[in-house]
Amino acid sequence: KAGVTQTPRYLIKTRGQQVTLSCSPISGHRSVSWYQQTPGQGLQFLFEYFSETQRNKGNFPGRFSGRQFSNSRSEMNVSTLELGDSALYLCASSPRGGSAYEQYFGPGTRLTVT
Amino acid sequence: GDSVTQMEGPVTLSEEAFLTINCTYTATGYPSLFWYVQYPGEGLQLLLKATKADDKGSNKGFEATYRKETTSFHLEKGSVQVSDSAVYFCALTMDSGGYQKVTFGIGTKLQVIP
Repeated sequence: KAGVTQTPRYLIKTRGQQVTLSCSPISGHRSVSWYQQTPGQGLQFLFEYFSETQRNKGNFPGRFSGRQFSNSRSEMNVSTLELGDSALYLCASSPRGGSAYEQYFGPGTRLTVT
Repeated sequence: GDSVTQMEGPVTLSEEAFLTINCTYTATGYPSLFWYVQYPGEGLQLLLKATKADDKGSNKGFEATYRKETTSFHLEKGSVQVSDSAVYFCALTMDSGGYQKVTFGIGTKLQVIP
Protein backbone atom coordinates (compact mmCIF):
# COMPACT_ATOMS: atom_id res chain seq x y z
CA LYS A 1 0.00 0.00 0.00
CA ALA A 2 1.19 3.51 -0.69
CA GLY A 3 1.91 5.57 2.39
CA VAL A 4 0.55 8.92 3.42
CA THR A 5 1.54 11.60 0.95
CA GLN A 6 1.71 15.32 1.55
CA THR A 7 2.09 18.11 -0.95
CA PRO A 8 3.93 20.30 -1.30
CA ARG A 9 6.98 19.19 0.69
CA TYR A 10 8.38 22.70 1.04
CA LEU A 11 6.72 26.07 0.90
CA ILE A 12 7.87 29.64 1.41
CA LYS A 13 5.23 32.31 1.99
CA THR A 14 5.12 35.91 3.09
CA ARG A 15 3.37 37.27 6.17
CA GLY A 16 -0.28 37.97 5.50
CA GLN A 17 -0.62 35.42 2.72
CA GLN A 18 -2.64 32.25 2.97
CA VAL A 19 -1.59 28.68 2.27
CA THR A 20 -3.27 25.35 1.55
CA LEU A 21 -1.60 22.04 2.33
CA SER A 22 -2.78 18.70 1.02
CA CYS A 23 -2.74 15.20 2.47
CA SER A 24 -3.66 11.89 0.87
CA PRO A 25 -4.15 9.14 3.47
CA ILE A 26 -3.43 5.46 3.07
CA SER A 27 -6.12 3.81 0.98
CA GLY A 28 -9.01 2.72 3.19
CA HIS A 29 -8.11 5.02 6.07
CA ARG A 30 -10.98 7.28 7.06
CA SER A 31 -9.38 9.30 9.84
CA VAL A 32 -6.95 12.12 9.04
CA SER A 33 -5.25 14.25 11.67
CA TRP A 34 -3.02 17.30 11.32
CA TYR A 35 -0.16 18.36 13.58
CA GLN A 36 2.17 21.31 13.80
CA GLN A 37 5.74 20.52 14.79
CA THR A 38 8.14 23.23 15.97
CA PRO A 39 11.41 22.99 17.92
CA GLY A 40 9.99 24.95 20.85
CA GLN A 41 6.50 23.49 21.16
CA GLY A 42 7.00 19.97 19.91
CA LEU A 43 4.11 18.20 18.23
CA GLN A 44 0.80 20.00 18.62
CA PHE A 45 -2.54 18.63 17.49
CA LEU A 46 -4.48 20.81 15.07
CA PHE A 47 -7.58 18.80 14.14
CA GLU A 48 -8.92 15.44 13.11
CA TYR A 49 -11.36 14.55 10.38
CA PHE A 50 -13.35 11.37 10.01
CA SER A 51 -15.72 10.75 7.11
CA GLU A 52 -15.64 14.43 6.12
CA THR A 53 -16.53 15.64 9.63
CA GLN A 54 -14.21 17.43 12.03
CA ARG A 55 -14.31 15.36 15.18
CA ASN A 56 -11.69 17.02 17.30
CA LYS A 57 -9.84 20.31 17.35
CA GLY A 58 -6.76 21.54 19.14
CA ASN A 59 -6.10 24.98 20.62
CA PHE A 60 -5.26 26.92 17.49
CA PRO A 61 -6.78 30.19 16.28
CA GLY A 62 -9.52 30.24 13.66
CA ARG A 63 -6.93 31.11 10.99
CA PHE A 64 -6.25 27.38 10.89
CA SER A 65 -8.94 25.38 9.16
CA GLY A 66 -9.31 22.13 7.36
CA ARG A 67 -11.61 19.89 5.45
CA GLN A 68 -11.87 16.33 4.27
CA PHE A 69 -13.25 15.12 0.98
CA SER A 70 -15.34 12.06 0.23
CA ASN A 71 -12.22 10.15 -0.87
CA SER A 72 -10.68 10.90 2.57
CA ARG A 73 -8.11 13.30 1.15
CA SER A 74 -7.71 16.29 3.41
CA GLU A 75 -6.57 19.87 3.13
CA MET A 76 -5.61 22.38 5.75
CA ASN A 77 -5.61 26.11 5.22
CA VAL A 78 -3.85 28.84 7.13
CA SER A 79 -4.95 32.38 6.44
CA THR A 80 -3.16 35.62 7.27
CA LEU A 81 0.16 33.89 7.87
CA GLU A 82 2.36 34.98 10.75
CA LEU A 83 6.07 34.39 11.28
CA GLY A 84 5.22 32.00 14.10
CA ASP A 85 3.38 29.72 11.69
CA SER A 86 6.72 28.55 10.32
CA ALA A 87 6.78 24.85 11.14
CA LEU A 88 6.65 21.31 9.84
CA TYR A 89 3.02 20.34 9.28
CA LEU A 90 2.39 16.64 9.59
CA CYS A 91 -0.61 14.70 8.44
CA ALA A 92 -1.46 11.28 9.85
CA SER A 93 -4.08 8.73 8.87
CA SER A 94 -5.66 5.90 10.78
CA PRO A 95 -7.99 3.14 9.64
CA ARG A 96 -10.82 4.20 11.90
CA GLY A 97 -11.56 5.79 15.21
CA GLY A 98 -10.56 4.11 18.42
CA SER A 99 -7.60 4.65 20.67
CA ALA A 100 -5.93 1.30 19.96
CA TYR A 101 -5.12 2.24 16.39
CA GLU A 102 -1.77 3.76 15.59
CA GLN A 103 -1.36 6.65 13.22
CA TYR A 104 0.57 6.58 9.96
CA PHE A 105 2.39 9.81 9.27
CA GLY A 106 3.33 11.51 6.06
CA PRO A 107 6.74 13.16 5.53
CA GLY A 108 5.35 16.59 6.30
CA THR A 109 5.21 19.99 4.61
CA ARG A 110 7.91 22.42 5.72
CA LEU A 111 6.34 25.90 5.75
CA THR A 112 8.56 28.95 6.07
CA VAL A 113 6.92 32.34 6.56
CA THR A 114 9.11 35.38 5.85
CA GLY B 1 -6.23 17.09 30.79
CA ASP B 2 -4.12 14.23 29.49
CA SER B 3 -0.37 14.73 29.34
CA VAL B 4 2.84 12.89 28.50
CA THR B 5 6.18 13.73 30.07
CA GLN B 6 9.53 12.69 28.64
CA MET B 7 13.04 14.09 28.77
CA GLU B 8 13.91 16.34 25.86
CA GLY B 9 17.54 15.36 25.55
CA PRO B 10 19.67 15.14 23.61
CA VAL B 11 20.70 11.77 24.95
CA THR B 12 24.15 10.83 23.69
CA LEU B 13 25.29 7.22 23.88
CA SER B 14 28.12 5.17 22.50
CA GLU B 15 27.31 2.33 20.14
CA GLU B 16 26.24 -0.87 21.96
CA ALA B 17 25.26 1.04 25.10
CA PHE B 18 21.98 0.40 26.93
CA LEU B 19 19.19 2.86 26.27
CA THR B 20 16.37 4.01 28.52
CA ILE B 21 14.08 6.88 27.64
CA ASN B 22 11.58 7.58 30.39
CA CYS B 23 7.95 8.34 29.67
CA THR B 24 5.24 8.99 32.23
CA TYR B 25 1.67 9.97 31.57
CA THR B 26 -1.41 11.45 33.15
CA ALA B 27 -4.80 10.38 31.86
CA THR B 28 -8.32 9.92 33.11
CA GLY B 29 -9.19 6.40 32.10
CA TYR B 30 -7.27 3.69 30.29
CA PRO B 31 -5.19 4.99 27.41
CA SER B 32 -3.30 3.12 24.74
CA LEU B 33 0.40 3.96 24.71
CA PHE B 34 2.76 4.33 21.79
CA TRP B 35 6.35 5.06 20.92
CA TYR B 36 6.99 6.76 17.60
CA VAL B 37 10.36 7.48 16.01
CA GLN B 38 11.26 10.31 13.65
CA TYR B 39 14.40 10.02 11.55
CA PRO B 40 15.93 13.21 10.13
CA GLY B 41 13.84 14.71 7.35
CA GLU B 42 11.01 12.24 7.76
CA GLY B 43 7.61 11.99 9.41
CA LEU B 44 6.92 9.90 12.49
CA GLN B 45 6.61 6.15 12.28
CA LEU B 46 5.25 3.74 14.84
CA LEU B 47 7.93 1.91 16.80
CA LEU B 48 5.76 -0.07 19.24
CA LYS B 49 2.53 0.09 21.18
CA ALA B 50 0.66 -1.36 24.14
CA THR B 51 -3.07 -1.12 24.61
CA LYS B 52 -3.59 -2.35 28.16
CA ALA B 53 -1.82 -2.59 31.48
CA ASP B 54 1.14 -5.00 31.70
CA ASP B 55 1.30 -5.35 27.91
CA LYS B 56 4.82 -5.25 26.49
CA GLY B 57 5.38 -3.72 23.07
CA SER B 58 8.51 -4.67 21.16
CA ASN B 59 10.06 -3.99 17.78
CA LYS B 60 13.58 -3.84 16.31
CA GLY B 61 15.13 -4.62 19.70
CA PHE B 62 13.19 -1.87 21.48
CA GLU B 63 10.79 -2.71 24.29
CA ALA B 64 8.37 -0.87 26.55
CA THR B 65 5.98 -2.16 29.20
CA TYR B 66 2.70 -0.47 30.10
CA ARG B 67 2.89 0.10 33.86
CA LYS B 68 -0.44 1.31 35.18
CA GLU B 69 0.71 1.49 38.80
CA THR B 70 3.52 3.92 37.95
CA THR B 71 1.77 5.45 34.89
CA SER B 72 4.88 4.82 32.84
CA PHE B 73 5.91 3.44 29.47
CA HIS B 74 9.71 3.61 29.42
CA LEU B 75 11.52 2.73 26.20
CA GLU B 76 14.54 0.41 26.41
CA LYS B 77 17.04 -1.17 24.08
CA GLY B 78 19.89 -3.38 25.14
CA SER B 79 22.44 -2.31 22.52
CA VAL B 80 21.97 0.82 20.43
CA GLN B 81 23.37 1.35 16.96
CA VAL B 82 24.32 4.52 15.11
CA SER B 83 21.25 3.96 12.92
CA ASP B 84 19.03 4.40 16.00
CA SER B 85 19.89 8.10 16.09
CA ALA B 86 16.52 9.84 15.82
CA VAL B 87 13.88 11.63 17.86
CA TYR B 88 11.61 9.38 19.93
CA PHE B 89 8.07 10.40 20.89
CA CYS B 90 5.93 8.85 23.57
CA ALA B 91 2.20 9.22 22.98
CA LEU B 92 -1.12 8.22 24.45
CA THR B 93 -4.53 7.92 22.91
CA MET B 94 -7.86 7.96 24.67
CA ASP B 95 -11.35 7.30 23.44
CA SER B 96 -13.30 10.47 24.05
CA GLY B 97 -16.89 10.99 23.01
CA GLY B 98 -16.64 8.61 20.08
CA TYR B 99 -13.29 9.75 18.75
CA GLN B 100 -9.69 9.28 19.75
CA LYS B 101 -7.68 12.02 21.39
CA VAL B 102 -3.92 11.83 20.91
CA THR B 103 -1.35 13.45 23.17
CA PHE B 104 2.37 13.46 22.33
CA GLY B 105 5.38 14.05 24.53
CA ILE B 106 7.95 16.67 23.61
CA GLY B 107 10.24 14.13 21.94
CA THR B 108 13.67 12.89 23.03
CA LYS B 109 16.58 13.25 20.66
CA LEU B 110 18.97 10.30 20.70
CA GLN B 111 22.47 10.56 19.30
CA VAL B 112 24.52 7.38 19.05
CA ILE B 113 28.22 7.82 18.38
CA PRO B 114 30.50 5.09 16.98
